[in-house]
Amino acid sequence: DTAVSQTPKYLVTQMGNDKSIKCEQNLGHDTMYWYKQDSKKFLKIMFSYNNKELIINETVPNRFSPKSPDKAHLNLHINSLELGDSAVYFCASSQGDLTNSPLHFGNGTRLTVT
Amino acid sequence: GQQVMQIPQYQHVQEGEDFTTYCNSSTTLSNIQWYKQRPGGHPVFLIQLVKSGEVKKQKRLTFQFGEAKKNSSLHITATQTTDVGTYFCAPNFGNEKLTFGTGTRLTIIP
Repeated sequence: DTAVSQTPKYLVTQMGNDKSIKCEQNLGHDTMYWYKQDSKKFLKIMFSYNNKELIINETVPNRFSPKSPDKAHLNLHINSLELGDSAVYFCASSQGDLTNSPLHFGNGTRLTVT
Repeated sequence: GQQVMQIPQYQHVQEGEDFTTYCNSSTTLSNIQWYKQRPGGHPVFLIQLVKSGEVKKQKRLTFQFGEAKKNSSLHITATQTTDVGTYFCAPNFGNEKLTFGTGTRLTIIP
């Protein structure tokens, strides 16, 4: 009965590799997000999709490419991984827009780039 | 620019003491949300405040939204070990993007 699930939970990889993180929500929400949390716990929005359409694209390197095949899924692909990409990546969803709807977060994917 | 400052960054309290975290914005907010993140966990929504001067309570937690809708606070009365975690405010500047404060990390000394 998991609401927002993301895989994998841990990801350890070397610099230069390409990796993907998957996210699925079964809440019937229209909007999904990717947030990055760095070692200092700062949470920053990266992308937001509403019904498969990209609506927020923060200043994120082009190496990061989100894909939303349907409104229940939002995946994140990262090319040419760098040391600075090490962080916890959270997927989240909300019903409608952010102005009035709480975010439901997944458990996070801890990415370590060596 | 639209900025929010959350203070303090860290707070260590004895179990049973009170705790307060503050979130201050340079501009008027549409609303503000609060989240709690346990160590090793994910942020969990606590509450949303919308109206000027609004006060909401959840058991030992009291949330306030300032009259000018520029600041907010979360107060925990008589902290317990289960309150450990990082508390984030998430102000809404009305631009369809939820930013998060820097968080206040609460540790409890038993």
